[in-house]
Amino acid sequence: SQKIEQNSEALNIQEGKTATLTCNYTNYSPAYLQWYRQDPGRGPVFLLLIRENEKEKRKERLKVTFDTTLKQSLFHITASQPADSATYLCALGGNQGGKLIFGQGTELSVKP
Amino acid sequence: DAGVIQSPRHEVTEMGQEVTLRCKPISGHNSLFWYRQTMMRGLELLIYFNNNVPIDDSGMPEDRFSAKMPNASFSTLKIQPSEPRDSAVYFCASSFRTGTNYGYTFGSGTRLTVV
Repeated sequence: SQKIEQNSEALNIQEGKTATLTCNYTNYSPAYLQWYRQDPGRGPVFLLLIRENEKEKRKERLKVTFDTTLKQSLFHITASQPADSATYLCALGGNQGGKLIFGQGTELSVKP
Repeated sequence: DAGVIQSPRHEVTEMGQEVTLRCKPISGHNSLFWYRQTMMRGLELLIYFNNNVPIDDSGMPEDRFSAKMPNASFSTLKIQPSEPRDSAVYFCASSFRTGTNYGYTFGSGTRLTVV
């Protein structure tokens, strides 16, 4: 069955460092992959989308890579700030109509 | 735009009661999704609509759950009768189009507690 795995343990980093979050998947061939941010008590917020034929996408301090051979996406936040502390979710979609399948998310904590 | 609007924000009900959750998507978005989030299972897609038509309801857990979208600006998710295991946060999301490169816009969710 399809499976999406994100770091289950919280990631704690120091302010100013680069945070790297991992999303691995099996039994799936997505046309695109999305990353969302979720704060406590709020709905997820869309950050970035990367298509299967793209290797890398950037937006301000965010960078996403997508390796369809390894079946993995990496999500980087450079020059991290305490305000970046949140749970980050990856989601796969595109080959099952409109379905977007989410991973469990990784909690990021950036300490000042 | 006020974003995706869900009501109520919190709902506490007794087992066996009917629960109705409401959603107003973003104007102009033609796809609407209902998700359920729990600690154990994360975000699960329950059902989605394109142009007010249900496309895939394979995620609806059982016949106690039903969803409607009578027009482009309103959708409901109903649970009848409710059970304690239905306790979760229910999110509604909308998107301009599915199967393309548009992200979803989520509402703030309805936290349902069934006692």
